[in-house]
Amino acid sequence: GEDVEQSLFLSVREGDSSVINCTYTDSSSTYLYWYKQEPGAGLQLLTYIFSNMDMKQDQRLTVLLNKKDKHLSLRIADTQTGDSAIYFCADTGSARQLTFGSGTQLTVLP
Amino acid sequence: EADIYQTPRYLVIGTGKKITLECSQTMGHDKMYWYQQDPGMELHLIHYSYGVNSTEKGDLSSESTVSRIRTEHFPLTLESARPSHTSQYLCASSVGGGVYGYTFGSGTRLTVV
Repeated sequence: GEDVEQSLFLSVREGDSSVINCTYTDSSSTYLYWYKQEPGAGLQLLTYIFSNMDMKQDQRLTVLLNKKDKHLSLRIADTQTGDSAIYFCADTGSARQLTFGSGTQLTVLP
Repeated sequence: EADIYQTPRYLVIGTGKKITLECSQTMGHDKMYWYQQDPGMELHLIHYSYGVNSTEKGDLSSESTVSRIRTEHFPLTLESARPSHTSQYLCASSVGGGVYGYTFGSGTRLTVV
């Protein structure tokens, strides 16, 4: 079945850029998503990218998609302490449900 | 503002008790899902429904059961809670992916003692 992988932890200094990476195996993905989960909360949809796009920018967020390598990344510019959270990538693949990665814990250091 | 509601937010219960975790959404979404989330963050799909009277088991085997009698309501029941059921349970709904993805509730943190 589909497999979506992420590194577990990332630490950055406040004001720096953060880059969270994700790889997936199903090449039939139509949409790929990034979700944010703050402590004690559910997942919140941050942004998405359609599979025929290479890049999408939304304020401080930049999503890059490399379909050849099946690699998705989320760049957060000027990272703030409020960005500390768990970030999940997810894709539709050929399944009828989303497949989620294992999540990346982003810690922003002052 | 959340359009999908889970109750209770926190629940501590004794072994052997029957519990029902509630999930309701006001968006008219046909598709609803239950995820179990490890302390290590990973999400496991345990049940899903594509409409009224339709329920399926997910990727992770679970002793829980679900029902979907109304579009807006998707409760999860544990007939006899055990300490191994201690986890965070997240409910979600969707119109089928696309630009909206899934909308998640705030979760229920269940502790079985």
